[in-house]
Amino acid sequence: GIQVEQSPPDLILQEGANSTLRCNFSDSVNNLQWFHQNPWGQLINLFYIPSGTKQNGRLSATTVATERYSLLYISSSQTTDSGVYFCAAPYKLSFGAGTTVTVRA
Amino acid sequence: GAVVSQHPSWVICKSGTSVKIECRSLDFQATTMFWYRQFPKQSLMLMATSNEGSKATYEQGVEKDKFLINHASLTLSTLTVTSAHPEDSSFYICSALKPSGGQETQYFGPGTRLLVL
Repeated sequence: GIQVEQSPPDLILQEGANSTLRCNFSDSVNNLQWFHQNPWGQLINLFYIPSGTKQNGRLSATTVATERYSLLYISSSQTTDSGVYFCAAPYKLSFGAGTTVTVRA
Repeated sequence: GAVVSQHPSWVICKSGTSVKIECRSLDFQATTMFWYRQFPKQSLMLMATSNEGSKATYEQGVEKDKFLINHASLTLSTLTVTSAHPEDSSFYICSALKPSGGQETQYFGPGTRLLVL
């Protein structure tokens, strides 16, 4: 299956800061999804992004399929952004190990 | 929207008992659902793919007689942990595949925390 690597493993931010999370994948994918797992365990879809750039509020994502990576940008971070961010490649969603984000007030 | 529910959200049981977890897609039909397991501070591990009307496909290393999966309708899949033991304690998450305009997106349930005493 496809191997997915995420970096950094942990990220501590001061409220208001910007950050970039990275996801590298081992083979070509025709889809990539980013998720946020909140402290209660719920996984929330952030982006379905096989290629290009998408934005949703303070979050945006870019996938460069030819170079096998995707980036998730968090701007003006808030404490509610805390949690674990996963990228995953289908089919059957090979998950990366996640980036644990802690935003401090 | 695309909402997936799981029931129960928490379960505590004695060793040796069986536990059934339900996963429902509330506002769409899902021919394919997935069951994942997550240990603390780890990523999600796919256990099996549940296909409506046919047998589930289990990932390598997952005991199919231990984790029984039934996908009886287009909106319901169940995972039964049989003769549960403490090492089965974990966070179990289901997802449902929603096709839309040529793409397929997985939507996740809120998860079920199982504690086996």
